[in-house]
Amino acid sequence: AQTVTQSQPEMSVQEAETVTLSCTYDTSESDYYLFWYKQPPSRQMILVIRQEAYKQQNATENRFSVNFQKAAKSFSLKISDSQLGDAAMYFCAYRSARRGGSEKLVFGKGTKLTVNP
Amino acid sequence: DSGVTQTPKHLITATGQRVTLRCSPRSGDLSVYWYQQSLDQGLQFLIQYYNGEERAKGNILERFSAQQFPDLHSELNLSSLELGDSALYFCASSPEYNSPLHFGNGTRLTVT
Repeated sequence: AQTVTQSQPEMSVQEAETVTLSCTYDTSESDYYLFWYKQPPSRQMILVIRQEAYKQQNATENRFSVNFQKAAKSFSLKISDSQLGDAAMYFCAYRSARRGGSEKLVFGKGTKLTVNP
Repeated sequence: DSGVTQTPKHLITATGQRVTLRCSPRSGDLSVYWYQQSLDQGLQFLIQYYNGEERAKGNILERFSAQQFPDLHSELNLSSLELGDSALYFCASSPEYNSPLHFGNGTRLTVT
């Protein structure tokens, strides 16, 4: 079974600075997807960024980018120019790309990010 | 707004009772997923339906059941409720297997 580990329960960053959230995962599959979801105090789960395992290029979405290291099974999220609105719980998630298999997301325990003004 | 609608937003009930949580997926999405989020267990996958059929089952208790109707909305039924069932229950939907999941705002269940 796949597992996702987020080793940083809490992180803090100064406004306008850069922060990196860590995520590692365990799988025997070669084709899969990785995601970062954000959960602000409103509790809504918001998709931040997505990475296909077969793509070597790291995904970027505006101020958000990932460092995907497939051999190391590592998938970190970098937030640049942090804003107060970035304060939230961040969840790393894994999803198999195998056809006919479970399409569920497997989540890590989350990292609570605080942004200090 | 994700387009996924969950009702009710909050639910307070007593132990031993039964409740039904409802989810309307985004227009066109055939897959519906249910997740439970609690402080100690994090986000746990419960069950997935695809176009009315059960596709995958996770850590769903026997006291819980779900179904997806012909109009694609889904209901999660929780019975013989216990204090430990208090959690945030999320529904998510996606159109096909390689598409991201979009989550509703959740139903906060409190069992007293």
